[in-house]
Order: sequence, then structure tokens, then C-alpha cells
Amino acid sequence: GAGVSQTPSNKVTEKGKYVELRCDPISGHTALYWYRQSLGQGPEFLIYFQGTGAADDSGLPNDRFFAVRPEGSVSTLKIQRTERGDSAVYLCASSSGLAGGKQYFGPGTRLTVT
Amino acid sequence: GDSVTQMEGPVTLSEEAFLTINCTYTATGYPSLFWYVQYPGEGLQLLLKATKADDKGSNKGFEATYRKETTSFHLEKGSVQVSDSAVYFCALGYTNAGKSTFGDGTTLTVKP
Repeated sequence: GAGVSQTPSNKVTEKGKYVELRCDPISGHTALYWYRQSLGQGPEFLIYFQGTGAADDSGLPNDRFFAVRPEGSVSTLKIQRTERGDSAVYLCASSSGLAGGKQYFGPGTRLTVT
Repeated sequence: GDSVTQMEGPVTLSEEAFLTINCTYTATGYPSLFWYVQYPGEGLQLLLKATKADDKGSNKGFEATYRKETTSFHLEKGSVQVSDSAVYFCALGYTNAGKSTFGDGTTLTVKP
């Protein structure tokens, strides 16, 4: 079956621009996670959805970052006024049932802010 | 807060050598512990997990035991193969919370 997909795979944008990153979770998975991975580091938690609601957004670094999941399936991570420090690979994962279960990761979106 | 510390890499081994990748953690509660693997050109995938103290997770010849007394979850394999070359991440998470905390990863290269 289809795994977690993320689009685009690569995004290059200029400092100050707005970007949207999309995640399509595995069908039927109620939990969805966003992480950010900088070069040479492990994934850093950003936000977790259970259904349509953000159950934990404690990892969002500031108010330029926002994520939605309006129908409990596809999610969009939105970054306003991008900064060079936002350059990283943005990973999405999904899991079924309660959080803490096995997470299935997408291939990531590599964001480069010039 | 929670944190995960992995041994620094990269690690280079010959085929059939014994592998240990150290992982220690600091946690405010009673987490589950995970090892994830990222093969070249692929996404992160769960390798094994353990949900409570003294549990042993195992998969594909890899093992790790949840040691509460030493707050460790070291990854081991008795005989590595070239196909095990990848980046390995240790992580912790909680059953009723979404956040997982990852280590910085250890790159393993196995030479024939």
C-alpha cells in the first residue's frame, strides 16, 4: 500500500517568502507528526495532530510556523517570512491509534532558504 | 526535559564484525524507546522498540534492551552486513503523547 508522501520533495525559496509543505499520511492513520531535521542532527519534533486538532504544538519554534489538518487526513505546514535558519528537511510521519505507536515516515521535503 | 544521546560516529566496520551503538537517555516519565534506521536514499523506518524496563526489542538480527538503571538502550548486532550501512537514530516517546525525542544519529558503514 501507499506510504506517507510529501510534496514538494525540494523547495528553494528566498528569504522573507511564504512556503507551504504538504503531507499525505497513510490512509486511515489518525495521528500525524511534523519534524524538522537539520544536517547532522536527528529529527526535532514540531507538532502532532490527532484527527483534525493539534494535540501538541510545543515544538513549533515561533509564530511564523503554523500547521493545519482540516479534514483529518492531509496536513500542510506553513512557514511565513522564511529565514535562512529555516533551511532543513521537514519530515512528516503518521501512525494509527494512540500516539506513541509505530510512526511511518515520509521521504521529507528539503527546504532551502536563500 | 527529555533528551537522547548517541555515541558519535561515523562507525566503520568490516563485514561480520560485532556492532554496538550506544544510546543513553534522560526522561521525565516512563517512555518507550526506539531505534530507527535510515538507509541511503530512503526515509526513516522503525527498526525495533521496547516499551518498558528490561524489555528487549529485536528485528533483523539487531537487539536492544531497555535498561532503566543505566538509562540506556544500546543497539547490538552480532554480525553486520554491507546492507546494514545506514544512519541509526535512537529515540524515546510516550504512549499518550505525540512528541518523540531523537538522538543525532550514528552513521554506520560496513565494508566487505
